[in-house]
Amino acid sequence: DAKTTQPTSMDCAEGRAANLPCNHSTISGNEYVYWYRQIHSQGPQYIIHGLKNNETNEMASLIITEDRKSSTLILPHATLRDTAVYYCIVRMEYGNKLVFGAGTILRVKS
Amino acid sequence: DAGVTQSPTHLIKTRGQQVTLRCSPKSGHDTVSWYQQALGQGPQFIFQYYEEEERQRGNFPDRFSGHQFPNYSSELNVNALLLGDSALYLCASSPIGQGNYGYTFGSGTRLTVV
Repeated sequence: DAKTTQPTSMDCAEGRAANLPCNHSTISGNEYVYWYRQIHSQGPQYIIHGLKNNETNEMASLIITEDRKSSTLILPHATLRDTAVYYCIVRMEYGNKLVFGAGTILRVKS
Repeated sequence: DAGVTQSPTHLIKTRGQQVTLRCSPKSGHDTVSWYQQALGQGPQFIFQYYEEEERQRGNFPDRFSGHQFPNYSSELNVNALLLGDSALYLCASSPIGQGNYGYTFGSGTRLTVV
């Protein structure tokens, strides 16, 4: 079973920041938080991952709380092409499998 | 640089038949994983192959089997198809030991069992 809890869906205005929350209260010390997204009719796409420090790359930022029980994925300037299902996953960095939950449907609207 | 290639893209089979799905990993990747995604759900891990051996398996029956070839490509075989096997089958490849950001997914094979 997935070790994360995410809202079922969220809406965001185009050009605004999209903040997607994730709860992972049972995360253990050697487990990382990963984010993937899946645009309709495509395979999941890696976005970002982190352990306990905040992370940023060209796609997004990841904010992890100090107790590591929750995190937020931030898309700084959402576009219509960011409409997708976003999955928050907890796993060991070199773990073999990804355990997906139902994810959050993000709808970016103009 | 080609990503993960899966074939066929769509397939319709009759209940009780057998099916083989194919995956070519991204260049430089030697590990292949297979996932099943039912409509409206997240992908579920089936198994992973590395060095032509099954390394880890999810909660799927023995009707699901696989193979990895010396060129790292892989096949997923499903025997005695059930209506419930209708799903999107995803292949993901990664370079072993390089962590999560090495996972690249294909666009999947949409299997419909009638």
